[in-house]
Amino acid sequence: DIQMTQSPSTLSASVGDRVTITCRASQSIGTWLAWYQRKPGKAPKLLIYQASTLESGVPSRFSGSGSGTEFTLTISSLQPDDFATYYCQQYNNYPRTFGQGTKVEIK
Amino acid sequence: QVQLQESGPGLVKPSETLSLSCTVSGGTISSYYWSWIRQPPGKGLEWIGYIYYSGSTNYNPSLKSRVTISVDTSKNQFSLKLSSVTAADTAVYYCARENTALALDYWGQGTLVTVSS
Repeated sequence: DIQMTQSPSTLSASVGDRVTITCRASQSIGTWLAWYQRKPGKAPKLLIYQASTLESGVPSRFSGSGSGTEFTLTISSLQPDDFATYYCQQYNNYPRTFGQGTKVEIK
Repeated sequence: QVQLQESGPGLVKPSETLSLSCTVSGGTISSYYWSWIRQPPGKGLEWIGYIYYSGSTNYNPSLKSRVTISVDTSKNQFSLKLSSVTAADTAVYYCARENTALALDYWGQGTLVTVSS
């Protein structure tokens, strides 16, 4: 299985901050990577797919980059609605695998 | 707007079979792959497997011997069965749709299933 490692596990930030989350794959996955946002009691939400393509309806402050084994999710200016847990997922191989999550907390 | 809703017992006894259904509304179940994912308390997300509307399946090897995913296109529904459950199968179970770009674009809210006697 491809291991996905996210860092940091927890991130404390303030509204307006630029936030970057990193996801590393244990082997090359090309750009077969997605990012999701999850809030308690709500359905996870697809933010980015194909490493850098913004899902329809997702604010442009979210962006993704990377290829191969290293990827980043950036929130250019953190908004109150963005405090949540973020997950990366590879879909280059089966079984699909996820990072362990990054919780973005209010500083 | 496509919506997914998981349903099923919230409590299952050890050694029994966990059964969940996912009802798709606002869209057709045809022409997509439909997945199950779970998250045990304090742990990460684990992909369980998918079914195509035609019935073809792909399961996580770690669960393959115990998992069956089926689809009922007439009800716009797909289902998960996990046999011989133990406490390690206690988790929030999600159903999701895999879009044409292979990402999971619609998810259910998740349902907590506890394995306990």
